Amino acid sequence: GAVVSQHPSRVICKSGTSVKIECRSLDFQATTMFWYRQFPKQSLMLMATSNEGSKATYEQGVEKDKFLINHASLTLSTLTVTSAHPEDSSFYICSARRFGLAGDTNTGELFFGEGSRLTVL
Amino acid sequence: SQELEQSPQSLIVQEGKNLTINCTSSKTLYGLYWYKQKYGEGLIFLMMLQKGGEEKSHEKITAKLDEKKQQSSLHITASQPSHAGIYLCGADITGTASKLTFGTGTRLQVTL
Repeated sequence: GAVVSQHPSRVICKSGTSVKIECRSLDFQATTMFWYRQFPKQSLMLMATSNEGSKATYEQGVEKDKFLINHASLTLSTLTVTSAHPEDSSFYICSARRFGLAGDTNTGELFFGEGSRLTVL
Repeated sequence: SQELEQSPQSLIVQEGKNLTINCTSSKTLYGLYWYKQKYGEGLIFLMMLQKGGEEKSHEKITAKLDEKKQQSSLHITASQPSHAGIYLCGADITGTASKLTFGTGTRLQVTL
């Protein structure tokens, strides 16, 4: 079953409104989660790294005021697309790493959520 | 230029045939992940490789990471319609064991 869950899976909103997408790790704690964006028929591009209890780290070219990330707990990170415009329409996917029992940072599997498709009218 | 090259971009095979997808980087791959994605859906984790020369298999899918840790291949034996989808390789090329850089994906179709 899924170990990382995203909600909503699909959302349609009007231009100018804000949309929040949630990413939850279901049976493990994730101090770090990652948000990716995928355009049609293209690969995933990392947008930002969400850090529990601290500010997110954004990749170059990603507007932090546009894409607000909050990681308030060890199992939940949220991405809010503020003042959405049609060009923000995309598929947003989050991921979290589940470490092995030994806590070795190099052995954890990286799981992805089901994705959230945002359509801005 | 793409940091992670995936080939082929698309592939159509007849059911029962074998196929191989390649993922190549000019940088050391500290970790290499293979995922499958159906269009518009999330990624399904297939396998993770970390050590040079490592090979893992699950059901009819085998993934290998070369000794130099710059190339990985995904091999499907006796393909089935259920194998159809987009295969993505994601690599840790920074050594941070965290964020991944993805290849462009390979779209696989399996015909009857």
